[in-house]
Amino acid sequence: QVQLVESGGGLVKPGRSLTLSCAASGFTFSDYYMSWIRQAPGKGLEWISYISISGSTIYYADSVKGRFTISRDNAKNSLYLQMNSLRPEDTAVYYCVRDQELIGAYFDYWGQGTLVTVSS
Amino acid sequence: QSVLTQSLSASGTAGQRVTISCSGSNSNIGTNYVNWYQQLPGTAPKLLIYNNNQRPSGVPDRISGSKAGTSASLAISGLRSEDEADYYCAAWDDSLSGVVFGGGTKLTVL
Repeated sequence: QVQLVESGGGLVKPGRSLTLSCAASGFTFSDYYMSWIRQAPGKGLEWISYISISGSTIYYADSVKGRFTISRDNAKNSLYLQMNSLRPEDTAVYYCVRDQELIGAYFDYWGQGTLVTVSS
Repeated sequence: QSVLTQSLSASGTAGQRVTISCSGSNSNIGTNYVNWYQQLPGTAPKLLIYNNNQRPSGVPDRISGSKAGTSASLAISGLRSEDEADYYCAAWDDSLSGVVFGGGTKLTVL
C-alpha cells in the first residue's frame, strides 16, 4: 500500500535551518509529482511547494519562496524540503503528499506529517 | 485570509443533507478543477472529491461534488456522526502559479 513517511521535524530557533525528508513506498515514486503542504496549529491547510517527476519544474508559495528548497531523489524514493531562515510563522505540521497532476490540487495520498516548531 | 472562501461552520442532524460551499475566482475555480479534502480530528487530510465531482475508490456515493462558474459545492447526504470533520476545498490558481485552499469548514453532526 502507498506509504509516505515524513521525518526531520523538531524544535529549531528562528533564523536556523532544517531539512525534512519523506520516504515513499508502495508505488513507483518516479512516476508521480509530489508536494509539501503544511498546517499551522489550529489553522487550515497551506500548500507550500511542488516538484515535477524529473525535478525540472518547481513551484513555491510566496510565503516560502527564496527560503525553502524542494528536491527529490527518485533512486532513493525520497522527497526533501530544505528550510532556511526559519520564522515563528513557519511553525506547522508539514505533510508530504502525492500529487496526481502537473497543474492541479489533486493530492491522493498524504503522510502522517512531521511537526516543525520555530521558537527561541 | 484564504484565496478560496468557505463558511466557517456547518451542521446537520443524522440523516440530513448538508452542503458546504467554496467560492473563488476566474483564476482558480473558474478555470481549474476543484478538489475536496476531509480531515478528521488529529489525522492527516484525506481526498474526498477530485476533478470537481469524482469520488476516489472507497468514498461512498452519498458524498458528491459540483462546480458552477467560480463556485463549488460539496454535498453530504444521509449524514452520520463519523462525518464530523473539517472540510477543505482546493484548486490550482493560474495567477499565483500555485495551489490555493479554502479556510476550511467545520461540520458538526447534531
